[in-house]
Amino acid sequence: DAGITQSPRYKITETGRQVTLMCHQTWSHSYMFWYRQDLGHGLRLIYYSAAADITDKGEVPDGYVVSRSKTENFPLTLESATRSQTSVYFCASSDLQWAYGYTFGSGTRLTVV
Amino acid sequence: GQQLNQSPQSMFIQEGEDVSMNCTSSSIFNTWLWYKQDPGEGPVLLIALYKAGELTSNGRLTAQFGITRKDSFLNISASIPSDVGIYFCAGPPSGNKLVFGAGTILRVKS
Repeated sequence: DAGITQSPRYKITETGRQVTLMCHQTWSHSYMFWYRQDLGHGLRLIYYSAAADITDKGEVPDGYVVSRSKTENFPLTLESATRSQTSVYFCASSDLQWAYGYTFGSGTRLTVV
Repeated sequence: GQQLNQSPQSMFIQEGEDVSMNCTSSSIFNTWLWYKQDPGEGPVLLIALYKAGELTSNGRLTAQFGITRKDSFLNISASIPSDVGIYFCAGPPSGNKLVFGAGTILRVKS
């Protein structure tokens, strides 16, 4: 299916565990982004990537790791999950004409217990 | 970092009423975007604005790019139950990274 897909949709993990959230897009968009959404904070940028093998920190990168070996995939890893990382995570992508906005995935709801 | 102030934070309105919300920035933007997020889904782009003073409609939605380039407004006419959700404004303070407002939660009484 064309579009941007995130997996899993829901995840419960324990404090201290490593967890990876997946993001896949089929448009060959250059840019990909990871946001977290928390009540009262809106959408906060965690990491972004301008192309394969190029990544950069956003507003709240601590505790997260990203990689982008292929244009279509942009996984987000929580190296040692903490309760404060309980959130809804959104992946987004855009082409070079970013001014038309980003296209978002459906999100992953992560609960750290 | 760059902040967008979006208001109101939430609204609870009667079906059929008109709705207004706004977004302000401390810096000038060249683009304003409005997104809607349905429950359990990701945000979807509603309207994009590229020029100061621009007024753009999408069905019952109308958005305006403020003349100062530091604000934008979204109006929804004759609200219906499916208008519920979170409305986000967004803009690019620099480069290609968008910043988002905290959102306006819209609840509609049927």
